[in-house]
Amino acid sequence: AQTVTQSQPEMSVQEAETVTLSCTYDTSESNYYLFWYKQPPSRQMILVIRQEAYKQQNATENRFSVNFQKAAKSFSLKISDSQLGDTAMYFCAFLSTGNQFYFGTGTSLTVIP
Amino acid sequence: EPEVTQTPSHQVTQMGQEVILRCVPISNHLYFYWYRQILGQKVEFLVSFYNNEISEKSEIFDDQFSVERPDGSNFTLKIRSTKLEDSAMYFCASKIAAVQETQYFGPGTRLLVL
Repeated sequence: AQTVTQSQPEMSVQEAETVTLSCTYDTSESNYYLFWYKQPPSRQMILVIRQEAYKQQNATENRFSVNFQKAAKSFSLKISDSQLGDTAMYFCAFLSTGNQFYFGTGTSLTVIP
Repeated sequence: EPEVTQTPSHQVTQMGQEVILRCVPISNHLYFYWYRQILGQKVEFLVSFYNNEISEKSEIFDDQFSVERPDGSNFTLKIRSTKLEDSAMYFCASKIAAVQETQYFGPGTRLLVL
């Protein structure tokens, strides 16, 4: 079974600074996708970034980038130039070949003005 | 940009009542999902649906739950006899193709069972 672990229940960062959210996962599969979803207070799930396991290059999406370490099964999210609108719950998710999502327990990020 | 929509945004019901949660997936998507998030907990998979039948379901998705796509656009989740522990946020998601494509989530329906 796949598991996703987010060891930081809460984090905070000063506006305009950089913050890194950690995520580790466990799987025996070799081909899979990893995602970060953002859940603001409205509780909608918004896709932030995704990474294909077969790609060595780390995905980037504007201020968001990942550090994907396949051997270590680590998938951290870096948010640069943090903005107040980044305040949200962030979920790391693993998508298996069976097309089922496995979510972590989330990291609550607060951006401090 | 097309998006998944869900109605209602909030639903309050009495224990034992039936509820139907509605979702309109993105129009050219073929795979549909329901997830549940109990307050303060992680998002949990309930069921996946393709070609008018369930393709996978979790242990949570027991006989009290059912899904259907009655008219080719709506995708519904029915809870036959709600329990207090069914109170949660229910998310619908859809994706275009089979192989590990990104699932796009709707805004969720907040269900409260009293």
